[in-house]
Formats: sequence, structure tokens, C-alpha cells
Amino acid sequence: DAGVTQSPTHLIKTRGQHVTLRCSPISGHKSVSWYQQVLGQGPQFIFQYYEKEERGRGNFPDRFSARQFPNYSSELNVNALLLGDSALYLCASSLERTPREQFFGPGTRLTVL
Amino acid sequence: GEDVEQSLFLSVREGDSSVINCTYTDSSSTYLYWYKQEPGAGLQLLTYIFSNMDMKQDQRLTVLLNKKDKHLSLRIADTQTGDSAIYFCAESTGGSYIPTFGRGTSLIVHP
Repeated sequence: DAGVTQSPTHLIKTRGQHVTLRCSPISGHKSVSWYQQVLGQGPQFIFQYYEKEERGRGNFPDRFSARQFPNYSSELNVNALLLGDSALYLCASSLERTPREQFFGPGTRLTVL
Repeated sequence: GEDVEQSLFLSVREGDSSVINCTYTDSSSTYLYWYKQEPGAGLQLLTYIFSNMDMKQDQRLTVLLNKKDKHLSLRIADTQTGDSAIYFCAESTGGSYIPTFGRGTSLIVHP
């Protein structure tokens, strides 16, 4: 069975641009969460979506937004990119609304120049 | 201070046991997790323990929880070079179950 997939693998953008990252959960999983992992740190929670509705939001500015589609895949959008947005963006899926067991994708490495 | 704290590095010899320690601050933590991250990869859930348990064993992995001291440990028996990775401790509280991660412990296994 395919695990969580994310695209693209790597991305280079310049300050002020916007970016869209994509995630496909494990088949049958209805919950998708997004995390930001800055180099040398643990992942920080950005959003959780379950059944196409936002169920949780971390301490990130409004430049960050996300959505979940009817097939449970998800997009993370970041506007007006800053240098500090450079990070590994991880997507995780889980079967339940309460993500006790989450399965992570390989991540998208975003570099902002 | 940090909500979840871990030492940054641990170096062990192949075949020895590794013990990675973690402390957390939230006394209402419900689940405590250990994740493994290999270079260039996402996180792999190794194991998790419910807060009313003291110990959980899964093959070479043993998790010990001291709820009074808010201390969690992961013991890896017979450590192999393939165990070299960054290990993250995380905790979550009831309701959202969104985990809060530590900064990770880099485990280096040398022959």
C-alpha cells in the first residue's frame, strides 16, 4: 500500500512569492495534518483537516492557509514568503479525527532566497 | 522553557543498549510518543504509550514512563548501525491529540 505522498520534493522560491504544497494521505485516511520542521528543530503543528473541515490550527500567521479536497488530499498554501519560511514541510495522515497514530510523508523541502 | 526537552546527541557502540531520555512539562499529557527520522526522510512512529501505563515493550524497544517526574525514556536493545537517526519525543493532551515535539536526539551508532 502507498504511504503518504507529498509533492514537490524540493522547491526554491524567492521572498514575496507564494507556494502550494500537496499531500495525498494513505487510502482510507480522512485526517491530514501539516507540520513545519525548521533545521535542527522538531516539527511544529500548522493545521489539521478532517472530513474537509479545519479542526485545528497552530500558531502561524494568516499567510499560511490550507484546504482538504473531497478525495481527502490536501494543499498547504503560503503567501508572501519570508526567508524564515525555509523548512521541511511535513504532511501526516491518520484514520481518526483525533490523530493518535499519524503516518508522515517524506516532506517537501522549501528554500526561500 | 521548552515543553518537551531532550538531550541533543547520544553516541553508542554497535551491540550496546541505547537510552534516550525526554522530559515534558504538561501534567495533563495523555499520549507520549517516540518518532524516528532518518536523513532526508519524514517521521516514522516507533511507539506510543498512554499516560496511565508505566512501561511498554515492542521487540527491541522499551518505553518507560515516570509520570510523577514527567520523564519518558526509550531503550533500544542491541543497537545497530541502522538505528542511527534522530529520535523525537512528543506529547499530546486529550481533545486534539496534536503532538508537541522535542528538538530531537541524534543517535550515532559506531562499530
